[in-house]
Amino acid sequence: EAEVAQSPRYKITEKSQAVAFWCDPISGHATLYWYRQILGQGLELLVQFQDESVVDDSQLPKDRFSAERLKGVDSTLKIQPAELGDSAMYLCASSLGTGETESNQPQHFGDGTRLSIL
Amino acid sequence: SQQGEEDPQALSIQEGENATMNCSYKTSINNLQWYRQNSGRGLVHLILIRSNEREKHSGRLRVTLDTSKKSSSLLITASRAADTASYFCVINTNAGKSTFGDGTTLTVKP
Repeated sequence: EAEVAQSPRYKITEKSQAVAFWCDPISGHATLYWYRQILGQGLELLVQFQDESVVDDSQLPKDRFSAERLKGVDSTLKIQPAELGDSAMYLCASSLGTGETESNQPQHFGDGTRLSIL
Repeated sequence: SQQGEEDPQALSIQEGENATMNCSYKTSINNLQWYRQNSGRGLVHLILIRSNEREKHSGRLRVTLDTSKKSSSLLITASRAADTASYFCVINTNAGKSTFGDGTTLTVKP
């Protein structure tokens, strides 16, 4: 059972609409990740937070995607406007630590939001 | 790219057989991790092996790491239908960057 909470589980919307995903990480986890996974493929990191600060958003399409983690706890990922190519699974993960020890710690994943753009 | 590349892309075996998946990478690593993903679910961490380790075991899982060949393997012994899933290796560099491979899809037939 996933310990990281994500909602909604499924989202169907039309292109050009706005869509938002929410993630509540494991309590006490400083690092939060948003990934995109196209069906049958690997994970693409969209954004990584350390507490409330963005540490990596190099792959985030900033013209339409935004992410925030205002109080360093839960996080929201938004797409506006949505495009057909955005159809994918959006996964959130969290891990405990900071700095170079971060990569030694496992990431805990939610069950994702399956987004379908019509 | 430092991304781990899994091989094979897909593997189908009978229950009770062993399954071996391989991961190759190009950069120096701090550690390598393996994750499992059941269909439509999030990923679950299986095992972490550090760059100074050569082999680790966890239940029916055995992971090896050869840093000279920049490769790792995941062995699942006595497979079960419940092992049907996608398996991903994750490369973690000394700079703290994590990169996922595209995964191996394992099907275990009852």
